[in-house]
Amino acid sequence: AQSVTQLDSHVSVSEGTPVLLRCNYSSSYSPSLFWYVQHPNKGLQLLLKYTSAATLVKGINGFEAEFKKSETSFHLTKPSAHMSDAAEYFCVVSDPWSSASKIIFGSGTRLSIRP
Amino acid sequence: DVKVTQSSRYLVKRTGEKVFLECVQDMDHENMFWYRQDPGLGLRLIYFSYDVKMKEKGDIPEGYSVSREKKERFSLILESASTNQTSMYLCASRPPRGARSNQPQHFGDGTRLSIL
Repeated sequence: AQSVTQLDSHVSVSEGTPVLLRCNYSSSYSPSLFWYVQHPNKGLQLLLKYTSAATLVKGINGFEAEFKKSETSFHLTKPSAHMSDAAEYFCVVSDPWSSASKIIFGSGTRLSIRP
Repeated sequence: DVKVTQSSRYLVKRTGEKVFLECVQDMDHENMFWYRQDPGLGLRLIYFSYDVKMKEKGDIPEGYSVSREKKERFSLILESASTNQTSMYLCASRPPRGARSNQPQHFGDGTRLSIL
């Protein structure tokens, strides 16, 4: 069975400092992994995706994530936080051959940026 | 770029009304989804459709139905709205399962529905 755990419900960093949002997954298959961002009263926007091509994945807005199979992790990082990064972030795992019910969303991490 | 459009950003309805939420995508995606999002509960799948006239129940289908008469349009119907259906509703689409299903879902901006 698949599952995904976002280890922090809320992360607060100062502007200009690094961001780390943690995600651990469990999957019986070779999963696809995604990070989405959601700004207030908006839908989810794709930040980046892992689909087994490369373990270090670069996304939009300076975000990147590293797939570590041995640690079953897919943590999201950014070297320098910007005020506009304040939002909710979701880690998602899916088996590309499964039905929609196998798309599993993490519970979300709210990122706050201090001036 | 894929565009998923939800017909209303904000909607206020009364208890017992029949409510229609509409979603249209422009990328010829076979799969379409309806989720609701509530604080502390995350995203929960209500229904999804893998092709025209095809649908499957998600985790919380009670009180909802769906319609997919055309590939680009997926409607969520609240048969008799109740206050516990007040929520943010999100529609998404993506290509079908298989080699292309490492493609992500694309989301609309959501409909914030209030049932009074």
